[in-house]
Amino acid sequence: DADVTQTPRNRITKTGKRIMLECSQTKGHDRMYWYRQDPGLGLRLIYYSFDVKDINKGEISDGYSVSRQAQAKFSLSLESAIPNQTALYFCATSDPGQGATYFGEGSWLTVV
Amino acid sequence: AQSVTQLDSQVPVFEEAPVELRCNYSSSVSVYLFWYVQYPNQGLQLLLKYLSGSTLVKGINGFEAEFNKSQTSFHLRKPSVHISDTAEYFCAVSVGNTGFQKLVFGTGTRLLVSP
Repeated sequence: DADVTQTPRNRITKTGKRIMLECSQTKGHDRMYWYRQDPGLGLRLIYYSFDVKDINKGEISDGYSVSRQAQAKFSLSLESAIPNQTALYFCATSDPGQGATYFGEGSWLTVV
Repeated sequence: AQSVTQLDSQVPVFEEAPVELRCNYSSSVSVYLFWYVQYPNQGLQLLLKYLSGSTLVKGINGFEAEFNKSQTSFHLRKPSVHISDTAEYFCAVSVGNTGFQKLVFGTGTRLLVSP
């Protein structure tokens, strides 16, 4: 099984709809992240969480919200999707002691 | 704030030729540096990382990188590339030691290896 699992892997949704991307990890790390990848822009941080009670905005949090349901679970929501949120989304977890970050396979989201 | 610059958006190279992918960072404090690779339609895989110690870091698939503090660079090199190295490569920096670790990525360099 993958260390970081994202669902769904692909989703097409309509403008204005609510969509949730889910992430679970089996590494046992406290820290989890959501990134967004756009062509030519690399990966940009949306939200991050250091533990279940800690949530922090990243550089592009507008239009997104997150929920840390448990140490292993971190979900990303788009309350009212818009076309410029079409992107590849990555969930990750990190072990700062090892300088290691583990990424999921990514979730392709298309907003039409 | 820290930032990462990858000046080359695309690097075409012939098979078995050497390649260097450039990465420069800006930070006034100690940094951890990383290179990730993304093969077509896949997630990110760690190639190598610099945390401390030797400035020459060897990674997977024959890649290596050298941390140059004075030039704030962490260029990725491979002496002989293969077709299978065709992918997008991301340089990333994480600042801090005991503090949180969030990665700041460059915009990526697409390596195109042709026969």
